[in-house]
Parts: sequence; structure tokens; C-alpha cells
Amino acid sequence: SQQGEEDPQALSIQEGENATMNCSYKTSINNLQWYRQNSGRGLVHLILIRSNEREKHSGRLRVTLDTSKKSSSLLITASRAADTASYFCATSSSYGKLTFGQGTILTVHP
Amino acid sequence: GAGVSQSPSNKVTEKGKDVELRCDPISGHTALYWYRQSLGQGLEFLIYFQGNSAPDKSGLPSDRFSAERTGGSVSTLTIQRTQQEDSAVYLCASSLAGGREETQYFGPGTRLLVL
Repeated sequence: SQQGEEDPQALSIQEGENATMNCSYKTSINNLQWYRQNSGRGLVHLILIRSNEREKHSGRLRVTLDTSKKSSSLLITASRAADTASYFCATSSSYGKLTFGQGTILTVHP
Repeated sequence: GAGVSQSPSNKVTEKGKDVELRCDPISGHTALYWYRQSLGQGLEFLIYFQGNSAPDKSGLPSDRFSAERTGGSVSTLTIQRTQQEDSAVYLCASSLAGGREETQYFGPGTRLLVL
């Protein structure tokens, strides 16, 4: 079962622009994670934000979390063609079982 | 060091046949997860192994699906009497100890097509 919705489902931008993806979830959480997937294969962990955090940065990535609205956003600044991928949010059970959102397909045009 | 590996990369089979998918986790990782990614259902959890504990099989979609993990390392996911709806990418991941904040490292997946 999916944790919730991600929007937009697809996003197309030019290199240098910022990309923002949103994720909503249904249950209370301990943390929320973002993953990236290239070409429909293995996922790569990007960033984790805990439920008591509101914002977190990692390089060009900025993640926010609003537990009152059960939503999170991922911002990629100064996007590059190499950022083209699918991005998924996921919540984690006590033993790490991940429940994923539906994902956003990001295309960055050179 | 080496990451999570999976084999085969691609598998085409006929409806009704059995298939075995293999996962080699990162050495030293005690937690191993199987997920499935399909167009209709997105990314779904299938099964979780932690050390010598009984696995969490709550995500397996039917009794045609089974998995084992031998010696706390390599895992095999077996699908018996495959159906067309089993067509998907099967992803394996491992983490150091299975904690909720631990990074999971994913393999490249096995793309299964059932004709």
C-alpha cells in the first residue's frame, strides 16, 4: 500500500531552475526519507528528516517537514541534467520497513 | 566495498513457471528487505529478514511467494506458478541492523516479465 500522494507526478524544468516536489503521508511518523531512482532501477537514499525537525539541508537539497499537515517537500536548487530521475518519499516502520509515495518524475533539460 | 547485488538482471518466463531471484546484501548487514515495483502498485514492501529472527512476511501478496535467507547473508525470493500480474521489478535492500533511521542500500533490481 502507498503511504500517500506525491505531487506533481511529473515535473519538467530547465537546467539551473529549482525543482520542488511535495509528499503527503497518512500516519504519524518518526522520520521521513527521500530516495532517488534512475531509469527504474535501484533507489539511492538522499536525506532523512526526523519528526521533530522542520527543515534539513544536504548540498543542493532542502527538505521541509510539516507534521501538522502530514506533508514534506524536497527542493533541488540549481538543477542539472544529471538530476533527471524519479524521486520518492518514504516513511519507515520501527524496523525500517519503508512505505513509499507514488513518486515524482523529474526531467531537467540541458 | 561492494554494494547490494541482484541476479538475474532480467528474467522472462512463461506463465505457470517458477522463478528464483537472488540478492547478495552488503557484507555485515543483518537486515535485508525485498520490495516490488510495478506500474499499477508502485513500490511495495514484500518481506524483511533480520539476523536469525523470524522474517516479517506481511507484504507477500500470495502464498505463491516465498523467500529465504541462508546463513544470514544471501536471500532468494521464489515465485511459484508465475502469473502475468507478477511482472515487476523486484528490488532488494540491506541495512546494518534494521533500525528505522538506518540508510537502506538498494540493489539494481531484477526485472521480471511473465508472458
